[in-house]
Amino acid sequence: KQEVTQIPAALSVPEGENLVLNCSFTDSAIYNLQWFRQDPGKGLTSLLLIQSSQREQTSGRLNASLDKSSGRSTLYIAASQPGDSATYLCAGRSSGGSYIPTFGRGTSLIVHP
Amino acid sequence: DTGVSQDPRHKITKRGQNVTFRCDPISEHNRLYWYRQTLGQGPEFLTYFQNEAQLEKSRLLSDRFSAERPKGSFSTLEIQRTEQGDSAMYLCASSLGEAGKDGYTFGSGTRLTVV
Repeated sequence: KQEVTQIPAALSVPEGENLVLNCSFTDSAIYNLQWFRQDPGKGLTSLLLIQSSQREQTSGRLNASLDKSSGRSTLYIAASQPGDSATYLCAGRSSGGSYIPTFGRGTSLIVHP
Repeated sequence: DTGVSQDPRHKITKRGQNVTFRCDPISEHNRLYWYRQTLGQGPEFLTYFQNEAQLEKSRLLSDRFSAERPKGSFSTLEIQRTEQGDSAMYLCASSLGEAGKDGYTFGSGTRLTVV
């Protein structure tokens, strides 16, 4: 069963900083890994999806990488803005067995002006 | 079809009452998932459907919970005899096949408060 851990649990940075959010998973036979953003009291918005055959995906100021051998994914946010303030969640799905993505607890990010 | 829709957005109910939530997935998506999320936690899996078949249920889904997807389109999640511990955000997601190409798409959730 896939287990997902996210570090740090919370992060507060000044505007303009580049930052890295970490996601660790236990089953290296990962099918795909997806990063989501969640604003307070809202649903999940998909940011990036990385397939097991890929090493990274980019969308605008966001870059996500996947290292199956070490069981890690990172989400890199360049030139952070106050509008980036939200909780960031990663979800991994294993290749075998269940088709269910498992979530980490998320990283709560505050970018202050 | 603009995404996954959930109704209602918010529900306040008294302890002991029954509640039902609805999820309309993206129309071509054959898989539908229900998750529950409490404050400060990540979403926890409850159950999922492939078309109309309920293929997996979490141990979190007690016998007071039931989910259906009668025609393989929309789904309902019912909670009977609600308890204060049921207060949470209930999230629905859908995917096409094994979610290889497009991943999972989530709705805005239903926030349940049991008083």
